Parts: sequence; C-alpha cells; structure tokens
Amino acid sequence: KAGVTQTPRYLIKTRGQQVTLSCSPISGHRSVSWYQQTPGQGLQFLFEYFSETQRNKGNFPGRFSGRQFSNSRSEMNVSTLELGDSALYLCASRFGRVNTEAFFGQGTRLTVV
Amino acid sequence: QQQVKQSPQSLIVQKGGISIINCAYENTAFDYFPWYQQFPGKGPALLIAIRPDVSEKKEGRFTISFNKSAKQFSLHIMDSQPGDSATYFCAACMGGETGNQFYFGTGTSLTVIP
Repeated sequence: KAGVTQTPRYLIKTRGQQVTLSCSPISGHRSVSWYQQTPGQGLQFLFEYFSETQRNKGNFPGRFSGRQFSNSRSEMNVSTLELGDSALYLCASRFGRVNTEAFFGQGTRLTVV
Repeated sequence: QQQVKQSPQSLIVQKGGISIINCAYENTAFDYFPWYQQFPGKGPALLIAIRPDVSEKKEGRFTISFNKSAKQFSLHIMDSQPGDSATYFCAACMGGETGNQFYFGTGTSLTVIP
C-alpha cells in the first residue's frame, strides 16, 4: 500500500512569488491535513480537508490556501512568498476524521530567497 | 499559545538506558494522544498512541504513561538503542464533527550514545 506522496520534495522560490504544493493521500483516506514545520515553531497546523471541504483552519494568514479534489488529492498554495515561509511543509492523511491515525508524507522543503 | 508543552528539548542517553520525554496539556477536550518519531529528511511516523481512559500503554520498548488528573503524559523508551536517535513529538487531538486537528509539542531531539 503506497504511503502519502508529496511533490515536489524540494523547492526554491524568490520572495514575492507563489508556490503550489501537492499531496496524494493513502488510497481510501479522505482526510488531508497540512502542517508547517520550522525549527523554532515546531509543527503548526495549517488546515484540514475532508471530502473536498475545508473543515478546520489554523492561525495562518490568507496567503496560505488549499483545496482538495474529488480523488482526495490536495494542493496547498502560498502566495506572495516571504522569507519566513521557508519551512518543511508536511501533509498527513487519515481514513476518517475522528481520532484516527495520521500518516505523514516526507514533506516538501520550501526555501524562499 | 502552545497547547501542548513538551520537555526536554534535547536528551542524551547511553545505550541500554531509559529515555523519558514529558508532555503537558491544558484543554480537557483532548481525547487522543499520539507520539510521533521523526528521522532527518522524513515525515513524522506514528509510534504509539493512547486515549485518556487508560493510564498506560506499552508496545515493545515504548510505553506511554498518562495522568489525566495532572493533564500530563510521557513516553518511556526502555533499553534505548542508537537507532532510536530521532526527534520525538507528542501531540493531542480532539474529535467531533466541527474539526479535527493535532496540536504538537515542540519536539525532543534524542541521541542515544553507543
């Protein structure tokens, strides 16, 4: 059974640009959550999607957005990139929404220069 | 505001020793407490999880101790091995139809010395 796949693995962008990250969850999983991981802040929740609807959102500016498709694949978009957006972006998939195991992908390492 | 507080930030243990990582939370609505292990360049992987209706859960060398009244839980790694060297995150989660997100601790970097 394939795990959570995130693409691309590494990305370098210039300040002011926008970026789109992709996450393919485990087959059959309908919940996808996104997290930002930085050395100083740890893992911080961005948002969760379930059945193509955003169910929950963390405390991030509107520059961070996402969506989920009918096949449960999800994309995350960051517009007007700032240096502080440099981080490892992780996506986690779960079968259901209530207290089920979350399986993480390897993440996308975004560097903003 | 950090919903889950984790300590220590780093830990060095001799091979064969016991590694202990502690976490504390405030929100009594949390009802699922997983621990994740992360190696460099990898995403976090679920290690062991507990629900608040039990005080301890053991899987192999890994044990979670849970103290509901104190709102604390800890991970014990018995007979620590160099291969256990990784960053460990505790987390707390609450269910319900309105949303379901994990609140993570800040992580503990564990180094097991041979």
